[in-house]
Amino acid sequence: GAVVSQHPSRVICKSGTSVKIECRSLDFQATTMFWYRQFPKQSLMLMATSNEGSKATYEQGVEKDKFLINHASLTLSTLTVTSAHPEDSSFYICSTDRDSGNTIYFGEGSWLTVV
Amino acid sequence: QKEVEQDPGPLSVPEGAIVSLNCTYSNSAFQYFMWYRQYSRKGPELLMYTYSSGNKEDGRFTAQVDKSSKYISLFIRDSQPSDSATYLCAMSPSTDSWGKLQFGAGTQVVVTP
Repeated sequence: GAVVSQHPSRVICKSGTSVKIECRSLDFQATTMFWYRQFPKQSLMLMATSNEGSKATYEQGVEKDKFLINHASLTLSTLTVTSAHPEDSSFYICSTDRDSGNTIYFGEGSWLTVV
Repeated sequence: QKEVEQDPGPLSVPEGAIVSLNCTYSNSAFQYFMWYRQYSRKGPELLMYTYSSGNKEDGRFTAQVDKSSKYISLFIRDSQPSDSATYLCAMSPSTDSWGKLQFGAGTQVVVTP
């Protein structure tokens, strides 16, 4: 069964609005979650590392004020795309390591389309 | 130059054939190597995980790592149409940055009946 739940699976929003994507670990606590972005026919690119109870760590080139990450509990991390633009349209996906790092599990991903 | 190189394909094979996939990498610090399968518009599903050099077999899947050549492979025996998907290699230097995976571009595989 699913280890990581991500919601919504698909969202369409207007340019200039904000969109929140949730990532939940099921039946276990995840102190660290990772957010990736995947453009069509391209690889997954790590955006940021979400740490429970502390600030997220962003990869080079990722705007922290545009992609707000909150990890308020041990089972939930959220990614908010603020003032979305069409170029933000992409597949956003979260992951976390279960069993202290033996394997990395991914959520089902969220397709964002900004019109 | 990308840290992880993977031929995007598509790779088309007849049902029952062996699918051979590979990735090359440039960062000698990578020690953990994974293969994921991704169906269209879905999240990646972990297939194989290997630490350092060597071979690992799991059912129809065999993963090989050659750190001296910075080259990893995945073989799928007796391929089925349901194996049609994009296969991504991923790697990490250590458990300290375990979740910060570097991915290849993914190879699209099509298994024809």
